[in-house]
Amino acid sequence: AQSVSQHNHHVILSEAASLELGCNYSYGGTVNLFWYVQYPGQHLQLLLKYFSGDPLVKGIKGFEAEFIKSKFSFNLRKPSVQWSDTAEYFCAVKGGSYIPTFGRGTSLIVHP
Amino acid sequence: GAGVSQSPSNKVTEKGKDVELRCDPISGHTALYWYRQSLGQGLEFLIYFQGNSAPDKSGLPSDRFSAERTGGSVSTLTIQRTQQEDSAVYLCASSYTSTGPNQPQHFGDGTRLSIL
Repeated sequence: AQSVSQHNHHVILSEAASLELGCNYSYGGTVNLFWYVQYPGQHLQLLLKYFSGDPLVKGIKGFEAEFIKSKFSFNLRKPSVQWSDTAEYFCAVKGGSYIPTFGRGTSLIVHP
Repeated sequence: GAGVSQSPSNKVTEKGKDVELRCDPISGHTALYWYRQSLGQGLEFLIYFQGNSAPDKSGLPSDRFSAERTGGSVSTLTIQRTQQEDSAVYLCASSYTSTGPNQPQHFGDGTRLSIL
């Protein structure tokens, strides 16, 4: 069975600070990995995804994530956050199942 | 529309009543998923459809929950004899196919269900 763990449930940063949100998964085979974002009052939307190739994936709005197979991790990063990045962030893994498994989410608040 | 459409956006009902939630996926998307999101929790998988069939119903919490999909398009999630613990946001997502490994899901705005 596949599972996902997001270590940080709540993160509070000031604008221009760097961000790294942890995501670890459990699955022994080939995986596809996703980060979704849910801005206040909006629906979940895809931020970035990894399925093969370069383990460093770049997404929208300056976000990137690195797949480290040996660590079963897919951490999300952004060098300098903005107030508009305030949102809920979800990591998801899709392994052998057709059903992506989502983490519990990380609430990010960025103070101006 | 271009996105996944869910209705109603909000539903308040009394304990014991039945409710029906609707999802209209993106045109051409064959896979459709239902999730439940409770406060402070992640997305809890309920059921998924490939076309009109539901290969995986393992996430349905009890036999009070059922779902159907007709014409490979619209899906309805029905909760019978609602309980207060059913209060949550019910999310629907669709993707072009379920078998493609890298198919992202497109989510609707959800239905916020409140059981009094």
